Amino acid sequence: GENVEQHPSTLSVQEGDSAVIKCTYSDSASNYFPWYKQELGKGPQLIIDIRSNVGEKKDQRIAVTLNKTAKHFSLHITETQPEDSAVYFCAASIQTGANNLFFGTGTRLTVIP
Amino acid sequence: EAQVTQNPRYLITVTGKKLTVTCSQNMNHEYMSWYRQDPGLGLRQIYYSMNVEVTDKGDVPEGYKVSRKEKRNFPLILESPSPNQTSLYFCASSPLGPGRETQYFGPGTRLLVL
Repeated sequence: GENVEQHPSTLSVQEGDSAVIKCTYSDSASNYFPWYKQELGKGPQLIIDIRSNVGEKKDQRIAVTLNKTAKHFSLHITETQPEDSAVYFCAASIQTGANNLFFGTGTRLTVIP
Repeated sequence: EAQVTQNPRYLITVTGKKLTVTCSQNMNHEYMSWYRQDPGLGLRQIYYSMNVEVTDKGDVPEGYKVSRKEKRNFPLILESPSPNQTSLYFCASSPLGPGRETQYFGPGTRLLVL
């Protein structure tokens, strides 16, 4: 099955700085890559996703890039704010007919005011 | 409000005492799934259901059972819980499946098996 690796496991940044979280995947058939944010005491919530026919996608301060050749994708958060502090998970799936979503191990992001 | 609900939110039990964690969604989603979350391991899928009466194993199904008798409900059953099932459990649902649509997660159930 798919194996998703995520780095770093913890990340601390100063408010206003950028944060980058990186993931690699093993199955070249994977073509859907969502990112989830999990706040304390809550379930994960989708914040952005990218499909394999796109190299980059942006949504305000959040962007995701995908390199299918190298099998890695990254989450970029610019102008970080304290409310960005959370655990972030990357995931990978085969888009069509997929029954499973394979998650990375998570990155705990702390934004220092 | 569109949501996935789980009950109970916290549960302490003893080895071997059968328990059920309920999950319900009000979005008429076809797909539902259970995950467990453990430190350093991320989320791992236990079971999923593509529709009523259609269930299948995920990555870590041992020691768990599920049923899907109604579209909105997907209970997780631990027939004989063991300490290695101590974990944080999440139920999730999506319109068609996790590869094509957003998954909506419940708030989680923290289980401690003594």
